[in-house]
Amino acid sequence: DVKVTQSSRYLVKRTGEKVFLECVQDMDHENMFWYRQDPGLGLRLIYFSYDVKMKEKGDIPEGYSVSREKKERFSLILESASTNQTSMYLCASSLSPGSTEAFFGQGTRLTVV
Amino acid sequence: GEDVEQSLFLSVREGDSSVINCTYTDSSSTYLYWYKQEPGAGLQLLTYIFSNMDMKQDQRLTVLLNKKDKHLSLRIADTQTGDSAIYFCAEGEETGANNLFFGTGTRLTVIP
Repeated sequence: DVKVTQSSRYLVKRTGEKVFLECVQDMDHENMFWYRQDPGLGLRLIYFSYDVKMKEKGDIPEGYSVSREKKERFSLILESASTNQTSMYLCASSLSPGSTEAFFGQGTRLTVV
Repeated sequence: GEDVEQSLFLSVREGDSSVINCTYTDSSSTYLYWYKQEPGAGLQLLTYIFSNMDMKQDQRLTVLLNKKDKHLSLRIADTQTGDSAIYFCAEGEETGANNLFFGTGTRLTVIP
């Protein structure tokens, strides 16, 4: 089975802190994604990566950056956390183009106080 | 992104059928998906349908696609309490999952 693992289930951070959310997948997938999930808004794509060191902005990249130094790991970085970044963050991975399935991690619920 | 709409809530009694509806705007969609999110978990793919099909059945799940109206539905027969979850409709293109667009999710509550 494909496994996508996010390093934390719950995080509480202070406004202005730098926050790292880590995601690792074990199936050699090329595509990796970060979404945030908010009630009534569904999933919104923050960034995605289709190869090592490659990244593309999604629909809501402002206030975030990403890093993909190794194929299996995709990190989401909040340079200076703000309260409006309190959300559930979901990482996903999929095979190269043509894949019909994205595999999701269990999510990280981030609270910024 | 593309517009994918769902109603937010649905309640059904155990043993009844549930029908979750979704509308989308992108006529170039290749795949349409249903994902399930159980409490405290990530999303899991339930089923998908190619845009050149109009129906797909998989055990208790039936997916109906009306491409002309851009309407997708998921029917769950004999709904069980374990089906309580949030169900997301998503649409994507041939180029792969990096063009997945999700709906708002429908929270299904199954009443015993």
